[in-house]
Amino acid sequence: DGGITQSPKYLFRKEGQNVTLSCEQNLNHDAMYWYRQDPGQGLRLIYYSQIVNDFQKGDIAEGYSVSREKKESFPLTVTSAQKNPTAFYLCASSKGTGGYTFGSGTRLTVV
Amino acid sequence: AQSVTQPDIHITVSEGASLELRCNYSYGATPYLFWYVQSPGQGLQLLLKYFSGDTLVQGIKGFEAEFKRSQSSFNLRKPSVHWSDAAEYFCAVGRGGSYIPTFGRGTSLIVHP
Repeated sequence: DGGITQSPKYLFRKEGQNVTLSCEQNLNHDAMYWYRQDPGQGLRLIYYSQIVNDFQKGDIAEGYSVSREKKESFPLTVTSAQKNPTAFYLCASSKGTGGYTFGSGTRLTVV
Repeated sequence: AQSVTQPDIHITVSEGASLELRCNYSYGATPYLFWYVQSPGQGLQLLLKYFSGDTLVQGIKGFEAEFKRSQSSFNLRKPSVHWSDAAEYFCAVGRGGSYIPTFGRGTSLIVHP
């Protein structure tokens, strides 16, 4: 079955470390997105990509970086410049007007 | 800029009772509107969407929503709630006329037996 796979499910980061969250889809969707979810704040857009080798900043891109070298993959790196990275990260994809398909998320905790 | 307000942080209903979750949006033109549901620790699932046409939209799991331009609202309804409907519900509006949603802060639905 087609879907979006996010890994790992749980991730722990030490202060000053960069970490990369994986997002892979086999839905043949053109667009992919990264959201951050904090309790009581809904979802906030970090980055999105509507085509391979191109991506745009969302509302809270500072301290994050992405790449889109393949249609299927859209990894997110949380850099040491992100001062408050503890959150639930959700990846999504879409094709046309069909609405989003979400992955099951990665919970990142700073230790 | 577009925005979405979900006035209720928590809603508690009894199983079998009807449900209405409120959503108000701010956008100058006809918006693209969405409702998503999230179970604990999971991603979001699309319940329904409105782009144009009939203002009463049917979705999955027995949910429906009505677009009311005069009230800038897109409230979600279900005639009879099941215990499995307990979850977080998010309303969203397409940003800048696109299909990329801006999400509300969510409403947590609690279902009593």
